[in-house]
Amino acid sequence: DAGVIQSPRHEVTEMGQEVTLRCKPISGHNSLFWYRQTMMRGLELLIYFNNNVPIDDSGMPEDRFSAKMPNASFSTLKIQPSEPRDSAVYFCASSLRGAEKLFFGSGTQLSVL
Amino acid sequence: GNSVTQMEGPVTLSEEAFLTINCTYTATGYPSLFWYVQYPGEGLQLLLKATKADDKGSNKGFEATYRKETTSFHLEKGSVQVSDSAVYFCALAWRNTDKLIFGTGTRLQVFP
Repeated sequence: DAGVIQSPRHEVTEMGQEVTLRCKPISGHNSLFWYRQTMMRGLELLIYFNNNVPIDDSGMPEDRFSAKMPNASFSTLKIQPSEPRDSAVYFCASSLRGAEKLFFGSGTQLSVL
Repeated sequence: GNSVTQMEGPVTLSEEAFLTINCTYTATGYPSLFWYVQYPGEGLQLLLKATKADDKGSNKGFEATYRKETTSFHLEKGSVQVSDSAVYFCALAWRNTDKLIFGTGTRLQVFP
């Protein structure tokens, strides 16, 4: 298996633009997580899905952020409009059984100018 | 609330030195505890875990023991290698939930 696949690896955009991050979880995994990593706040859980259903989105910073999982093999995290303070590395992770063992993608480095 | 506290880094060691990275947690009840490792430019990988008090997780020469009395899960390795240079994250999760709470991470730098 190729592991969790995220795209793009790097994204540079200007403030106010829409940004869409993509994730393909490991086949057969039923939980999917979106994390954000910054120097100031470390790793923050933004949202997670179980069987394609959002379970907990309490970590989503504000209404500018939205996440979808239309099927078991694809998820998106969208920021609209983007702001410089959104600059971070965004990780997607999947697991077979909840938080027992997460498999992380390589992340998307987002820079909002 | 539930939280994980790790020692601040970076931790700088010479090859073959003994490693300890401290981790303590605050939580009600008895969560499962984890150590994840992040190599440069990569996502996190599970290193080891323990699911109940006095359990010892081990992998690749690393060990950590779940200490309920001190609410700790310190990571140790007897002899580090240059290839162990990475960021190490302590984390906790509750059984029957999917929420994994991470510490801030500790960077380890090992020099030859």
